[in-house]
Amino acid sequence: DAKTTQPPSMDCAEGRAANLPCNHSTISGNEYVYWYRQIHSQGPQYIIHGLKNNETNEMASLIITEDRKSSTLILPHATLRDTAVYYCIVRVGGSNYKLTFGKGTLLTVNP
Amino acid sequence: SQTIHQWPATLVQPVGSPLSLECTVEGTSNPNLYWYRQAAGRGLQLLFYSVGIGQISSEVPQNLSASRPQDRQFILSSKKLLLSDSGFYLCAWREQEQSYEQYFGPGTRLTVT
Repeated sequence: DAKTTQPPSMDCAEGRAANLPCNHSTISGNEYVYWYRQIHSQGPQYIIHGLKNNETNEMASLIITEDRKSSTLILPHATLRDTAVYYCIVRVGGSNYKLTFGKGTLLTVNP
Repeated sequence: SQTIHQWPATLVQPVGSPLSLECTVEGTSNPNLYWYRQAAGRGLQLLFYSVGIGQISSEVPQNLSASRPQDRQFILSSKKLLLSDSGFYLCAWREQEQSYEQYFGPGTRLTVT
């Protein structure tokens, strides 16, 4: 699985968009980009995933660059409850589906 | 709807004592099951995963073991705990035919003293 690089921490004002970057320059053509988040003392929560195209769901948007070497998770209107560690994971989809979590980005949403 | 249970929520055990953590999933059949550990200040580490009853794959060598005696039951065990076994233990499941989401339980916080 390709390695990912994320900033260790970011701040965002409540109500503003939070843009979380992820670098995955060694990604292969069949590897997906997944985003999970972990609120303190809870289990991780799936947010979104994508392969090539940009994706949007009720939680967030995922923007993947054309060369697929980086991506950005966008929380359009961050709230205090969005304060969490956000993990960017790159891997091949498949039956075993093992996730390798790095250290992620601690997003702190400030009032 | 599907639900995942883990117990206990917190546990304090002395070094050298045995361990048994249980995870059960409701509302699905033949799920993939996973055990992760998160040590203080560190990322999540995959310990074991299972694609079926009695089928266990270990990701890292350690003094822990896992078993899957029933389709929706996953147990993490140790015969003798070490101080380094302290951490936040998370069970997760995923549908076999679905590729993208893993669903995590509430976790067990283990402190070995």
